[in-house]
Amino acid sequence: EAQVTQNPRYLITVTGKKLTVTCSQNMNHEYMSWYRQDPGLGLRQIYYSMNVEVTDKGDVPEGYKVSRKEKRNFPLILESPSPNQTSLYFCASRMTVYTEAFFGQGTRLTVV
Amino acid sequence: KNEVEQSPQNLTAQEGEFITINCSYSVGISALHWLQQHPGGGIVSLFMLSSGKKKHGRLIATINIQEKHSSLHITASHPRDSAVYICAVRDMNRDDKIIFGKGTRLHILP
Repeated sequence: EAQVTQNPRYLITVTGKKLTVTCSQNMNHEYMSWYRQDPGLGLRQIYYSMNVEVTDKGDVPEGYKVSRKEKRNFPLILESPSPNQTSLYFCASRMTVYTEAFFGQGTRLTVV
Repeated sequence: KNEVEQSPQNLTAQEGEFITINCSYSVGISALHWLQQHPGGGIVSLFMLSSGKKKHGRLIATINIQEKHSSLHITASHPRDSAVYICAVRDMNRDDKIIFGKGTRLHILP
């Protein structure tokens, strides 16, 4: 089944403790991206990648890192999480920028 | 001003009613997406369109490029249609970056 898989689905952590949210897709898509969704603000892009070893900042990249060592994986790294990074996070992939996007199930992160 | 505006923000209707959700945008686009987000949080792509009209089951999406406007219609609405519907556009002048509307929360009463 074609899908985008995020882990974990739910995470509560403390300020400053490094964490990684994994994202994997099995559709051989070139384009992957991370979004955060906050009440009243909608979905905002954090980082995106147009191919292996090619990543770029989105609208709200501060406090986040990503890597794209393999085509299928695009982890989101929070080196030192802060409470303002409490949010619902989505990974998405597309074959190219011109095609339909597939979303992961979301990761609800709480930083206390 | 947001580049993608949806209306209404919230909509409650009775089962069976015809539903219309509107999306207006201010940028030049290469395509427009309609997404559905259920209470559990997952997001599913419903339509991607760049002109005209598309239909899938009880859902119909239309777009008017000249007027920079799209509508999502649901015929014979059902409680399982209750979800947040999100309009998103691909900005043709910014490497097809996706810009999202804030969503319309739809609640269908049985």
